[in-house]
Amino acid sequence: NAGVMQNPRHLVRRRGQEARLRCSPMKGHSHVYWYRQLPEEGLKFMVYLQKENIIDESGMPKERFSAEFPKEGPSILRIQQVVRGDSAAYFCASSPTSGRRYEQYFGPGTRLTVT
Amino acid sequence: ELKVEQNPLFLSMQEGKNYTIYCNYSTTSDRLYWYRQDPGKSLESLFVLLSNGAVKQEGRLMASLDTKARLSTLHITAAVHDLSATYFCAVDQNSGGSNYKLTFGKGTLLTVNP
Repeated sequence: NAGVMQNPRHLVRRRGQEARLRCSPMKGHSHVYWYRQLPEEGLKFMVYLQKENIIDESGMPKERFSAEFPKEGPSILRIQQVVRGDSAAYFCASSPTSGRRYEQYFGPGTRLTVT
Repeated sequence: ELKVEQNPLFLSMQEGKNYTIYCNYSTTSDRLYWYRQDPGKSLESLFVLLSNGAVKQEGRLMASLDTKARLSTLHITAAVHDLSATYFCAVDQNSGGSNYKLTFGKGTLLTVNP
C-alpha cells in the first residue's frame, strides 16, 4: 500500500506566478488535510477536504489560496500570484474513510520557493 | 482558540542521559499526538494517546497523557545520536464529526551529542 504521495517535491516560482501542489491520499482514505510549515515554525492547518467537498477551510488565507479534492484524481492546493511569504513546506495528510479516522498519514511535502 | 505549547524548544543532550519534553494544551481534547521530523523530511507518527492516563513506549521513547492537567510528556531514556530530530506534539479539536484537524506545538529541536 503506497503512502501519501505529493508532487512536485520541490517547486520554484517567481513572484506573481501560480503554484499547484498535488496530493494523492493512501488507498482507502477519503479525507485530506493540508498543512503549511513556515521556516523555523510548526505546522499550521490550512484546509480539510473530503471527496468533492471542502469541509473546513478556516486556516486558508482569504485570498489567492484555493483547494479541491475532485471525485477522480488528487487533491490540489492552488496558490495564485505567489509572494515571497508563501515560501514554505506544504504537507498533506490523509486519513481512513472508516475506523481510525483520527490517524493522519503525512506525505513527503512540497517545498515551495518563491524568488 | 486552542493553543499548544512545548518546552523546551531546544534541547541539547549527551548520549546516555535522560530527559523529558513537555506539551501543554489549552482546551479539552482526548487525543494527543507525537511526531518526529528529520531535517527536510516529513512527519513520522510516534504515538497517539487516546485517553487520560495513557502511556505508550517504543524503544527509548515513552509518552504519557494527563487530560485533566492538559499535559503530555515525552520521556527520552539513555539518549543516542539517532534520536536527534525535531519532535512535535499536536492535539485535535474533534467534537464528534469527521474533522480531526491538528494544532501543533512549535516543536522541540533535540540534539544528542556523543
